Amino acid sequence: AQKITQTQPGMFVQEKEAVTLDCTYDTSDQSYGLFWYKQPSSGEMIFLIYQGSYDEQNATEGRYSLNFQKARKSANLVISASQLGDSAMYFCAMREGSGTGFQKLVFGTGTRLLVSP
Amino acid sequence: DTGVSQDPRHKITKRGQNVTFRCDPISEHNRLYWYRQTLGQGPEFLTYFQNEAQLEKSRLLSDRFSAERPKGSFSTLEIQHTEQGDSAMYLCASSLRQDGYTFGSGTRLTVV
Repeated sequence: AQKITQTQPGMFVQEKEAVTLDCTYDTSDQSYGLFWYKQPSSGEMIFLIYQGSYDEQNATEGRYSLNFQKARKSANLVISASQLGDSAMYFCAMREGSGTGFQKLVFGTGTRLLVSP
Repeated sequence: DTGVSQDPRHKITKRGQNVTFRCDPISEHNRLYWYRQTLGQGPEFLTYFQNEAQLEKSRLLSDRFSAERPKGSFSTLEIQHTEQGDSAMYLCASSLRQDGYTFGSGTRLTVV
């Protein structure tokens, strides 16, 4: 079963507008973490934002915010005031479990965002 | 440089040849991960080290793949007898805690 689902293969937004990238997840764990990464054409995975399953507040990092709806199992990324440099692939990922044992990151298939002038 | 370094950035090899990639993690990070990313997909987990111990291996890591982290610092990933299906981006990441992954820029392998 798909653990992370990103249903938008591509999204277009005009510069300075806000955009929401969708992510739904599937887990039976009570403790998990959700991540968003940006991957420009250079290939590096750049960490954007993290939300823990027990965090009551939605995570924010500058222009990035995570709209966490636990009951719906969704963790959408909102980018405000889009910039041309935001054009890239965006991946949602989940880490299951907690404690000192190993938990891998499971990634979705990504959404390609194109910001136009 | 305080980031995760991977070398080489690109590698083109003929089918059947062996290749080796290197990853230098952030110096204070004791956890190191290898992921593989094929075209149009998100990264998939390959293997995990805590210090020098390889603690987890994915079923994706066939017998032709071997990874080492001999002194708990840099790591190498070797692929023997490469096949065209091995063509992918190989990403290394390191962390001190579970929620602090830092990825490198990856090594893009093309098997011809």
